[in-house]
Amino acid sequence: GEDVEQSLFLSVREGDSSVINCTYTDSSSTYLYWYKQEPGAGLQLLTYIFSNMDMKQDQRLTVLLNKKDKHLSLRIADTQTGDSAIYFCAESWGGATNKLIFGTGTLLAVQP
Amino acid sequence: ETGVTQSPTHLIKTRGQQVTLRCSSQSGHNTVSWYQQALGQGPQFIFQYYREEENGRGNFPPRFSGLQFPNYSSELNVNALELDDSALYLCASSSARGSGGTSGANVLTFGAGSRLTVL
Repeated sequence: GEDVEQSLFLSVREGDSSVINCTYTDSSSTYLYWYKQEPGAGLQLLTYIFSNMDMKQDQRLTVLLNKKDKHLSLRIADTQTGDSAIYFCAESWGGATNKLIFGTGTLLAVQP
Repeated sequence: ETGVTQSPTHLIKTRGQQVTLRCSSQSGHNTVSWYQQALGQGPQFIFQYYREEENGRGNFPPRFSGLQFPNYSSELNVNALELDDSALYLCASSSARGSGGTSGANVLTFGAGSRLTVL
């Protein structure tokens, strides 16, 4: 199937780290992505990782990929109230990088 | 460099009507994809257009159709609207390159969407 699964909700306190998890299905996915969606807005690409990498760090963001378990995670260090949003992981469909299968999204709520 | 712009931002239709949504791609991008995002769900791939031809389609019926114009802008048309078509419709543009290598990710730039309500 083409289901990409995420937990629905995560609540953290400002300054803590957030970890959002995702399980994908297509082992041929070339790239895996994390997008952010704020209320009433479209999707903003945060970061992506190539499938032959285990980890990618980009400022406060760290992506971990476990290809054997088809598990992807996004860690946000020093979470801020401005990070409150819905986070989507996505896999490239059938290896084609332009067509994405998105998860259901994780709502991150950051408490001051 | 302009981003992806979509119009209209909001619209209300009734069942059975037809709707056309428009999208202008980001400068330098030649590929346009359309996604449907129902409330509380992740975006679902509808189809993609490259060089004015449909280049892949998701699990959507034929009453969802599209066009791409020589300037790479695109339209999404939905006929015989149903209540379940109520959603945010997102357009994304990209430049079509092959995959492969750590620099080969072909990222999508999304517009803010058109929110369609079907009554």
